[in-house]
Amino acid sequence: DGGITQSPKYLFRKEGQNVTLSCEQNLNHDAMYWYRQDPGQGLRLIYYSQIVNDFQKGDIAEGYSVSREKKESFPLTVTSAQKNPTAFYLCASSSKTGYTFGSGTRLTVV
Amino acid sequence: AQSVTQPDIHITVSEGASLELRCNYSYGATPYLFWYVQSPGQGLQLLLKYFSGDTLVQGIKGFEAEFKRSQSSFNLRKPSVHWSDAAEYFCAVGGASGGSYIPTFGRGTSLIVHP
Repeated sequence: DGGITQSPKYLFRKEGQNVTLSCEQNLNHDAMYWYRQDPGQGLRLIYYSQIVNDFQKGDIAEGYSVSREKKESFPLTVTSAQKNPTAFYLCASSSKTGYTFGSGTRLTVV
Repeated sequence: AQSVTQPDIHITVSEGASLELRCNYSYGATPYLFWYVQSPGQGLQLLLKYFSGDTLVQGIKGFEAEFKRSQSSFNLRKPSVHWSDAAEYFCAVGGASGGSYIPTFGRGTSLIVHP
């Protein structure tokens, strides 16, 4: 079945360490997105990419970085510059019929 | 700039009762509108979407929504709620940008279902 795979589901890191969240899709979608979700704040866009080797900052890009070397993959790195990285991270891809979301990665920084 | 308001943070209904979740949007042109549902610790699942045409949209799981341009609303309804409908519901508005869609999401409404 086609879909989006995010891994790992849970991730723990020490403060000051960079961490990379994986997102892979086999839907042949051109566009991919990363969202951050905090309680009571809905989804906030971190980065998006509409085509391979190109990506744009979203509303809260500071402290994050991405790459889009392959159509299927859009990894997100949470850097030590992100002041409050503990959150639920959702990856999505889109076609003209709407978005498809992954099942998310819960990142906890201790 | 586009925006979405979901005025109700929590909604509590009894199983079998009808449901309406409110969504108001701000968008400069004809919007694309979406409703998503999220179970705890999971991603978002598309319930229904409006792009154009009939303003009453049918979705999965017995949900429907009505686009009312004059009220800038896209409220979600279900005639009889089941306990399994308890979840977080998100309304989103967006438009085409370079062939992809970059919706803005509301803050969500948490639905609680009493037996």
